[in-house]
Formats: sequence, structure tokens, C-alpha cells
Amino acid sequence: DAGVTQSPTHLIKTRGQQVTLRCSPISGHKSVSWYQQVLGQGPQFIFQYYEKEERGRGNFPDRFSARQFPNYSSELNVNALLLGDSALYLCASSLDAGGRDEQYFGPGTRLTVT
Amino acid sequence: AQSVTQPDIHITVSEGASLELRCNYSYGATPYLFWYVQSPGQGLQLLLKYFSGDTLVQGIKGFEAEFKRSQSSFNLRKPSVHWSDAAEYFCAVGPLFGNEKLTFGTGTRLTIIP
Repeated sequence: DAGVTQSPTHLIKTRGQQVTLRCSPISGHKSVSWYQQVLGQGPQFIFQYYEKEERGRGNFPDRFSARQFPNYSSELNVNALLLGDSALYLCASSLDAGGRDEQYFGPGTRLTVT
Repeated sequence: AQSVTQPDIHITVSEGASLELRCNYSYGATPYLFWYVQSPGQGLQLLLKYFSGDTLVQGIKGFEAEFKRSQSSFNLRKPSVHWSDAAEYFCAVGPLFGNEKLTFGTGTRLTIIP
């Protein structure tokens, strides 16, 4: 079975632009979470979606938004990009939304803001 | 609020030597505890997890971790490291109930010397 996939792998944007990152969970997984990993740091939680509903949100500004589609894939949108948004964005999927469920991570999307 | 501390930013170990990576957590109840490994340019792979029961947990790739409630620690160990173990290691904590996020430590970078 395919693992979590993310697209694109890399992208470069300029300040003020908007970006959309995509994630396809493992087949059968209904929960998707997004994390931001700044260079040299651990991942920081951004959002969790389960059955197309937002179940959790981290301490990120409203410029960050996400959604989950009926096929459980997800998009993360970031508006008005800042230099500080440069990071590796990780998507993780799990069967359910409980804390016990193992999260499987994708390879990430490397976003560079210039 | 839950938090994770990994006091060692970088550790260098000779191939074949034993390894211990430290992790301390802060949480109001018994948490779920995880160790993840991240190779350069890759996503996160789960090494092992602790939910309850036996405090010594076995994981993949020959890793084990011991949960010590009195010390709020969950240290990762391996009796003999291989060059392929060179990577970034992250300890994470999740809640016992609910669908909240994983909170990660800042990571420990492991270098293996021949």
C-alpha cells in the first residue's frame, strides 16, 4: 500500500504570495494532521482534520487554513507568506482521531519564501 | 500544557557503541510517548511508542525505550549502533484521550563515526 503522499516536493514563493500544499493519506485513514518543521526544530502542530471537520488547531495565525475532502485528502493553504513561513510542512494520517492512533508521516513539502 | 525536552542537541557515537538519547516530558497525566526518526530530507518514521503496561518498550531497528514515571523520562537506547542510524531523533508526547496533537521535542542529531 502507498504511504502518505505530499505534493509538491519543493516550492519557492515570494513574500506576500499564497501557497497550497496537498496531502493524500494512506488508504482507509480518515484523519489528517499538518505540522510545520522549521529548520533545526521539531514539528509543530498546525491542524487536524477528521471526517472533513477540523478537530484541532495549533497556535498559528489565521493566514493558515486547511480543508479535507470527501476522499480524505487534504490541502493546507497559507496566505500572505512571510519569510518565517519557510519550513518543511509535514502531513500525517491516522485511522482515527484518537491520541492512541499511530500517525504516519509523509515526506513533506519544503517551502522556501524569498 | 504538555512539553517535551531533549537536552542533547547533537550526539556523536562510534559505530558499534551503545546509545542513549534522553527525553523528558511534562504532562498532567500519563501520556502517550513516542520516538520518531527522521533521515535527511525525509519525513518521520515511528520507532516505538508507549501507552501503558510494561515500561520497557521494544521498537524497530533494534531500539528500545524505558518509561520512568518518577523521572518523567522516556529515554531511547540501542546496544550497538550502525552507520545507518545517523539521523535526527524526535521524542513526542500525545494525550491519553481525545484527538489532540503530538508535541515534539527539538530533536537530537546523531552522528556515527567509524
